[in-house]
This record gives sequence, C-alpha cells and structure tokens, in this order.
Amino acid sequence: QSVLAQPPSASGTPGQRVTISCSGSNSNIGTNTVNWYQQLPGTAPKLLIYTNNQRPSGVPDRFSGSKSGTSASLAISGLQSEDEADYYCAAWDDSLNGYVFGTGTKVTVL
Amino acid sequence: QVLLQQWGAGLLKPSETLSLTCAVYGGSFNYYNWSWIRQPPGKGLEWIGEVNHSGSTNLNPSLKSRVTISVDTSKNQFSLKLSSVTAADTAVYYCARDLIQLQMFDFWGQGTLVTVSS
Repeated sequence: QSVLAQPPSASGTPGQRVTISCSGSNSNIGTNTVNWYQQLPGTAPKLLIYTNNQRPSGVPDRFSGSKSGTSASLAISGLQSEDEADYYCAAWDDSLNGYVFGTGTKVTVL
Repeated sequence: QVLLQQWGAGLLKPSETLSLTCAVYGGSFNYYNWSWIRQPPGKGLEWIGEVNHSGSTNLNPSLKSRVTISVDTSKNQFSLKLSSVTAADTAVYYCARDLIQLQMFDFWGQGTLVTVSS
C-alpha cells in the first residue's frame, strides 16, 4: 500500500527541468529523511537520492532533492533521454514502524 | 563491491507457500538490516519486511500474519516465506540491503517474478 503521493507522470524535452513531488504526513516525511529511487524499464530500483538531498557516488549532479515539512521533491535539470524511467520516493513511517514508498512517477522525455 | 543474488520458485498455485532466498556477497553482513520488497506487475513498490543479523524482524502489518523472514549468517543469506498465496501476491520480489542509519536501500537483488496461478 502506497502512503506517499506522487503524480503519475511527468514529461519534458531534452535539456528541460522536471520536478516530481512526494507528499506524506507527520509520521513519515515530517519526521524522517526521504530517499528517491530510479527504476529503468525491466530493472531493479536504484538509489538516486538519500537523506533528502544527497547523491550517491556516480549519480549525476543534474539530479537533486529537497524536503520541506511533510513534502519532498526531486528535480531533474538538463533532462536526457536516459532519464526516462519510473521514480519513487520512500521514507520510514513511525506509525507503520516500516518503510513506505510513493505511488511512483513515470518520466517521459519528449 | 556488494552483490545481492536471489532465487526461488517462480510459479505457485493458490494456497502454496512462496519461498525466496537472497545471498549477499561483499561487505559486512552484520552491520545492516536486510529487506524484502515487492512490485506487482505495472504497479508500485511495497515493503514486506526486514531482518537483522541476529534474526530480529520488522514486518509490514498488512502481510505480517503470512510472512516469515529469516537469516543464516553462516552463509550470508536471508530468506522470505509467504504463506497461503493468492493471485494478489503475483509480483516481482526484490531483496535489498538497508543501511539502517540512513534508512535507505543502497543495494538491490535482481528481482524474481513470482506468479500465482491455478
């Protein structure tokens, strides 16, 4: 069951900036850090952003994350064709005592 | 480098028990939690539960009554059992390493498609 709300889709032309929102509550995003995962077609998810705005080694700096209150955002600047994928936010939920994921956003490069 | 390699039966009949195992290569097994996550076809991700090196588990309440997650530290492996499966349990199942302090999944297995059909 997805507790974090994301828009189902987002799109842009190459070079444009795309942002994806992730809306939660006090028990998850409001009190814990947010991570973002990128899932290319037919592959396992890959960690893209951790602790709200940190990039693992190897992730291009065109990906950035932010958090405010009970919401978070992922921005992709300088959109490239290889960025076409599904993106999921995730956080620990203190009420569930477990992890919750976002509903997922499919990014299309026009 | 860390590698998670998973395996298990891919086709089950309703009421049977799903059984998957994930082997961890590289890195320390004892400093992390180990999670199972699933994704129904065309849908989003759902966290199933996690286990630590001592065998303590934390399970999603929605699946808790049917889920067992265990660990074998001698082999650096952990396993998932899901009983009384139905078609609603058809999904790709992933194992993942949970970096506890940062609450993130930094390494994932390749995924196993489990189909439940009569």
